[in-house]
Amino acid sequence: GENVEQHPSTLSVQEGDSAVIKCTYSDSASNYFPWYKQELGKRPQLIIDIRSNVGEKKDQRIAVTLNKTAKHFSLHITETQPEDSAVYFCAASVLGSGNTGKLIFGQGTTLQVKP
Amino acid sequence: KAGVTQTPRYLIKTRGQQVTLSCSPISGHRSVSWYQQTPGQGLQFLFEYFSETQRNKGNFPGRFSGRQFSNSRSEMNVSTLELGDSALYLCASSLVSGNEQYFGPGTRLTVT
Repeated sequence: GENVEQHPSTLSVQEGDSAVIKCTYSDSASNYFPWYKQELGKRPQLIIDIRSNVGEKKDQRIAVTLNKTAKHFSLHITETQPEDSAVYFCAASVLGSGNTGKLIFGQGTTLQVKP
Repeated sequence: KAGVTQTPRYLIKTRGQQVTLSCSPISGHRSVSWYQQTPGQGLQFLFEYFSETQRNKGNFPGRFSGRQFSNSRSEMNVSTLELGDSALYLCASSLVSGNEQYFGPGTRLTVT
């Protein structure tokens, strides 16, 4: 069935350290993998995404890697800062009815960056 | 471009009542998806509309329904409210189903 597993559920790091969040998806047809950041009381914001024809994508301090064979993808944040503290969600597209797509989200990771 | 907007932002209802939430997508976006967010449950997919047609549906009871208008604005309706329906309801719009989605601020529904 459609499922996205996300680990860890909570992550605490010191400012300046790196943080890694991992997700595993079940649908081998998934071809789009976005990551969202949700600060307390705010809407989820798209921070980076990757498509299945790419193995890695970087944007300043954040990067995402995709392993299609193992069906997992990861978010890497380097040189973490207190403002990186938030809940992070991964998602994977799955085929819906009529060959359309929908996003299935992981359970979220609460990242705390300690100054 | 203006972002995704949702109204109302907060709502308090009692059990058994019904509620209608509204979502206006980014201009030009024809896909609107709805999610329920509760603590510990992440973002649960409710349904998706594209060009006034429901394309995909999540695993929610029939009390949850929606529709989309010709201007792509979407409404979600929950009938016979239960305490467990208390949640943040988010909508997200995109150009194409299952791709880059942009979220609205959500409607916080409290059922007492």
